[in-house]
Amino acid sequence: AQSVTQLDSQVPVFEEAPVELRCNYSSSVSVYLFWYVQYPNQGLQLLLKYLSGSTLVKGINGFEAEFNKSQTSFHLRKPSVHISDTAEYFCAVSASLAGGTSYGKLTFGQGTILTVHP
Amino acid sequence: NAGVTQTPKFRILKIGQSMTLQCTQDMNHNYMYWYRQDPGMGLKLIYYSVGAGITDKGEVPNGYNVSRSTTEDFPLRLELAAPSQTSVYFCASSNRNYRARKSYEQYFGPGTRLTVT
Repeated sequence: AQSVTQLDSQVPVFEEAPVELRCNYSSSVSVYLFWYVQYPNQGLQLLLKYLSGSTLVKGINGFEAEFNKSQTSFHLRKPSVHISDTAEYFCAVSASLAGGTSYGKLTFGQGTILTVHP
Repeated sequence: NAGVTQTPKFRILKIGQSMTLQCTQDMNHNYMYWYRQDPGMGLKLIYYSVGAGITDKGEVPNGYNVSRSTTEDFPLRLELAAPSQTSVYFCASSNRNYRARKSYEQYFGPGTRLTVT
């Protein structure tokens, strides 16, 4: 089984400032990692994913995340945020193929609300 | 492609009523999922399906039922609605493809906001 902890429930930041949203996970098997974004009253959209290979993953809208296996973390970063980045962000994990048959089921963190102020 | 569609968008139910939340995908995905989202709790998996005729329980299945008679449709049934089922429900789909970089990416519908009073 897996679990995900997003360390901040809310992150306020000013426009053009950098931001980091923190995510730690726990799993007894190897995992795939994801960040999703949810804009108000909408469904979830994939920002980026780590399946294998380079630990620095680049996604849409200028976001990137780094997989740190030793610290079991997958923090999301953006060097300069915009008002339009205001949304809720979810970190999620699923067992990898090597970790067993998961059928892509996702375990989500509690979410982090990013609010960008002008 | 429309992707994943869900109906209705909003619904208010009285305690004890039943209803079916509809979910359809047009991407020919094998896997489909139902999640519920509660404030501050993230999303929890209710049921999932790996193909037509094959379903299994997720983390929070009590009070719900599903069926999968076709690849495209995965309806979620609430038999006796309870206030604890007030939530936003999301349907998602994905495909398993060892070679495609889009493998394991779940595509989400817009959600159904359900209130039980």
